[in-house]
Amino acid sequence: SQTIHQWPATLVQPVGSPLSLECTVEGTSNPNLYWYRQAAGRGLQLLFYSVGIGQISSEVPQNLSASRPQDRQFILSSKKLLLSDSGFYLCAWSVTGGRTEAFFGQGTRLTVV
Amino acid sequence: AQRVTQPEKLLSVFKGAPVELKCNYSYSGSPELFWYVQYSRQRLQLLLRHISRESIKGFTADLNKGETSFHLKKPFAQEEDSAMYYCALMKSNYQLIWGAGTKLIIKP
Repeated sequence: SQTIHQWPATLVQPVGSPLSLECTVEGTSNPNLYWYRQAAGRGLQLLFYSVGIGQISSEVPQNLSASRPQDRQFILSSKKLLLSDSGFYLCAWSVTGGRTEAFFGQGTRLTVV
Repeated sequence: AQRVTQPEKLLSVFKGAPVELKCNYSYSGSPELFWYVQYSRQRLQLLLRHISRESIKGFTADLNKGETSFHLKKPFAQEEDSAMYYCALMKSNYQLIWGAGTKLIIKP
């Protein structure tokens, strides 16, 4: 069966520090991968999605970047965090080529202080 | 514009009462719609999709193309239904557009 792991679950970082959130998927090949930000009262905002290794599409310009160094690994990064980067970040995957459901990780609560 | 609207941020009903969570969409193509649910301290997960036309945990949702709606309904609410519910629309390029979510509280 397929599983998705996202870590860390919580993170407190000072302003100006770097960020690296990691997401890995097991039990499937060539998944579509997504990074979302979930804000209270605003639903889920798609930040990045990837249809293959090294292929990253950004939905919103911001202080964050994403990379997919391996087929089932998706990393969300920042060189210098801002206070406004605080939030709840979700990684998700779906089957390539199908209009099927998305499967979500447990999320990371990031607090920038 | 492509958009999913959930007009209620919070919905509170008594146990045993009917529940209807509203979802309206705006999309020029052929939509595929989903309801996702997030229970307390659990992952966001799929509840149901319109293409399956199934009932999950007593919930149903019918796609009404005339009214561009995909409301989620349950005839008799249970306390364990308390959760955050999100309506989502899948575009032709497999990206999801999300509503803002409705927090459902079932009172005993």
